[in-house]
Amino acid sequence: DAGVIQSPRHEVTEMGQEVTLRCKPISGHNSLFWYRQTMMRGLELLIYFNNNVPIDDSGMPEDRFSAKMPNASFSTLKIQPSEPRDSAVYFCASSLEPPGRAWEQFFGPGTRLTVL
Amino acid sequence: DAKTTQPNSMESNEEEPVHLPCNHSTISGTDYIHWYRQLPSQGPEYVIHGLTSNVNNRMASLAIAEDRKSSTLILHRATLRDAAVYYCILRGDSGAGSYQLTFGKGTKLSVIP
Repeated sequence: DAGVIQSPRHEVTEMGQEVTLRCKPISGHNSLFWYRQTMMRGLELLIYFNNNVPIDDSGMPEDRFSAKMPNASFSTLKIQPSEPRDSAVYFCASSLEPPGRAWEQFFGPGTRLTVL
Repeated sequence: DAKTTQPNSMESNEEEPVHLPCNHSTISGTDYIHWYRQLPSQGPEYVIHGLTSNVNNRMASLAIAEDRKSSTLILHRATLRDAAVYYCILRGDSGAGSYQLTFGKGTKLSVIP
């Protein structure tokens, strides 16, 4: 099993540019999470999908952030326009979570985003 | 939300046991105690979880106090690869928000060769 796959691993962009981060969850998992990690705020949940449907996006910082999950094997997190304060490591995680049960989450290697 | 308290950092000598404490005095009856760790430059990884009874797996053991207000993650023989930040997380069994992992600052474990 390849685990959760994220791309790119590193992204450097200039303020104002659009950034798209990609995630392929573990095959068979039905839940997908996007997290952001910074030194100041630690690890924060941005959005949670269950069966490709966004369930909780209360952690999305503002309208510049959007996430989609068009099918069970792919998700994107888009920032448009990007700002220097968006610089962070973005993690995608997946799990097999029957409704109402809590199971372990498997994290990808992360995408380190730097906005200049 | 129930909170957890962990020491900021700990040190251990290689090949010695490590006991990582976690206090969670406001834990509710349906909260599971989860432990994750994050190695340098990697994503977090699941270590172990439990409800009331002590738990063992290939990575570690979890000792849970009888009143469930504290727990201890035990690494039986620390290796250099165990140097990481260890997070103790409370997570509901079901219902709204049970999917959520709320990461605190964790304990940074250093392993001395």
